[in-house]
Amino acid sequence: SQQGEEDPQALSIQEGENATMNCSYKTSINNLQWYRQNSGRGLVHLILIRSNEREKHSGRLRVTLDTSKKSSSLLITASRAADTASYFCATAPIPGGYNKLIFGAGTRLAVHP
Amino acid sequence: GAVVSQHPSWVICKSGTSVKIECRSLDFQATTMFWYRQFPKQSLMLMATSNEGSKATYEQGVEKDKFLINHASLTLSTLTVTSAHPEDSSFYICSARDNWTGRGGEKLFFGSGTQLSVL
Repeated sequence: SQQGEEDPQALSIQEGENATMNCSYKTSINNLQWYRQNSGRGLVHLILIRSNEREKHSGRLRVTLDTSKKSSSLLITASRAADTASYFCATAPIPGGYNKLIFGAGTRLAVHP
Repeated sequence: GAVVSQHPSWVICKSGTSVKIECRSLDFQATTMFWYRQFPKQSLMLMATSNEGSKATYEQGVEKDKFLINHASLTLSTLTVTSAHPEDSSFYICSARDNWTGRGGEKLFFGSGTQLSVL
């Protein structure tokens, strides 16, 4: 069964604005990862946050993790038109180890020039 | 990052025919590869875990005889959709972990996907 739920399902913003996407999951996890997918393409890994971490940064990306609420957020600051894509959270659940990732439903982000 | 090549990018076939999709890790060895299926505007659903030199592990509800997986080498896994029907039309994506070159075994590297259309 699908592990993660994301909201919003779709987000439309102007260039320069910040975009925030949320992910909730159901079971205990080893780590949570965010991926990006351009239309009709494969996924690209963005950032990984471990269960004992609360916040992580990578360039314009900021990820938070609240294991007590079983939720994570991805913030993209100063968005660009090139950020237009679908963003998925994925969890490595316990049990299950690292052998499989369960993906959320995704957020479709549209950044308008 | 590591490169995973998936071929073909798209395929159109007649109902009843079989289609083979290849997934190759180009610059690393992948003992495990994963096959996902994705419907438009939806998430990725894990179909099976492909293990080099052994049988694939299928997720519940995925027909083993319908979706044949072969992982004959450390760099190649194939998914064959047998006797394809229109309901098999979907976007299929493979992924792999690089457990060997220190690039982080926890994240997945994805192929570019295969759009299958069965007429």
